Parts: sequence; structure tokens; C-alpha cells
Amino acid sequence: LAKTTQPISMDSYEGQEVNITCSHNNIATNDYITWYQQFPSQGPRFIIQGYKTKVTNEVASLFIPADRKSSTLSLPRVSLSDTAVYYCLVSGGFKTIFGAGTRLFVKA
Amino acid sequence: EPEVTQTPSHQVTQMGQEVILRCVPISNHLYFYWYRQILGQKVEFLVSFYNNEISEKSEIFDDQFSVERPDGSNFTLKIRSTKLEDSAMYFCASSPQGLAGGPDTQYFGPGTRLTVL
Repeated sequence: LAKTTQPISMDSYEGQEVNITCSHNNIATNDYITWYQQFPSQGPRFIIQGYKTKVTNEVASLFIPADRKSSTLSLPRVSLSDTAVYYCLVSGGFKTIFGAGTRLFVKA
Repeated sequence: EPEVTQTPSHQVTQMGQEVILRCVPISNHLYFYWYRQILGQKVEFLVSFYNNEISEKSEIFDDQFSVERPDGSNFTLKIRSTKLEDSAMYFCASSPQGLAGGPDTQYFGPGTRLTVL
């Protein structure tokens, strides 16, 4: 299973764009990259998933370079309610490994 | 929007007792998972389940744990002889097709907080 590395924490202000980068140097050919968000005392919630290039949905964008050894989650114009832990996962098989995640703190 | 549900939301038990945590996955999903999260720590994979059998399990999922899909809707996690260190949030998740089949989205339930005294 590919290991992921993310910053432990990030601070931002309301209205700013936040970019969280995840490294996954050992990603396999068939692996997809998925990002989850988790609020305290809640289950993780799917944000976005991609294989290569760029994916965008109503919540976020995901940028994946050609070598796929990293990915960047982009949250446009964050609000206080975006304060949460963000996990980058590389999926393969039926075993999902969560890393420590990035704790994003959005300030007013 | 369909969602994964879990019961109870909070379970308190005495050390050495058995507990059963219940989950109702999203109805058309085929793959089911249990995770746990000790307070302040990361989410840890326990087990995945497909076609009435375990697909993968972690080293945490030892003989103390078992899973079952007793009927067409419920998915349970049984913890025998609970220990203090089993205190954690336990999350159930389900997905339509599983990770091995390509892109997959797991939908998580709200969790059951297990407190072992």
C-alpha cells in the first residue's frame, strides 16, 4: 500500500484558497487518490477523487501531476466551517489506510 | 440522500463484557468496512467484508473481533471480552463496488462511541 505524507496542520483565513499537498511516491498504476474530510466526533466524509490531471466538483479541486507521486487538494474561499482534518488516501485492494491527516484551522 | 446508520451512538460497557455494534449500510452497496478511531488519533482500518466473507483485515482485527451480516441490511461488529484500550469511536462504512474495482467512494456512518470501564 502506498504511504501518504501530508502536513500535520495548516492555518488559513476565511475567504482564502487553501491548498493541501499530499505525497505518495509509491503509488501503484491502478491506485486512485481520494480525499476525505472529518469533523470532530463524526465519520470521514468523501470530498473528491481522481486518477490523473485535474478533477473539480462543487466542493473542491484535485490536481494530480503526470507522475502521480503527489496530489493537491484545493479548497476555494474557505469558511470557518471548513475547519476539519483532511485525509489523503491512495486506494488499492480492500484495505484503506488513513494517514494522520492535515488539520486545517480557518480563522475569521 | 441515503446514508449509513449506526447504533447505538454511545455504548458503555464493563471490561470483559461482549459488545455488538450495529450498522445499516446504504442499501445497494456491496462492500462494508469497520474502522476505529481512538480519541485524538487517526482513523484505523479494521476489516472489509464482501459477499459474506472478510476481504481484508488489519493486525488490530484479532480473534477478539468478528463481523457478520446476519440479514440483508445489518452489518455488525462483535468485540468479545472488551479491554480498556478498546475504548474508541467505531465507524462503519459502505461502498458500491469496493477498492479493487477501480474508483471507489466509501460512505461513513456517524460512529459508535465505545467506552470500556
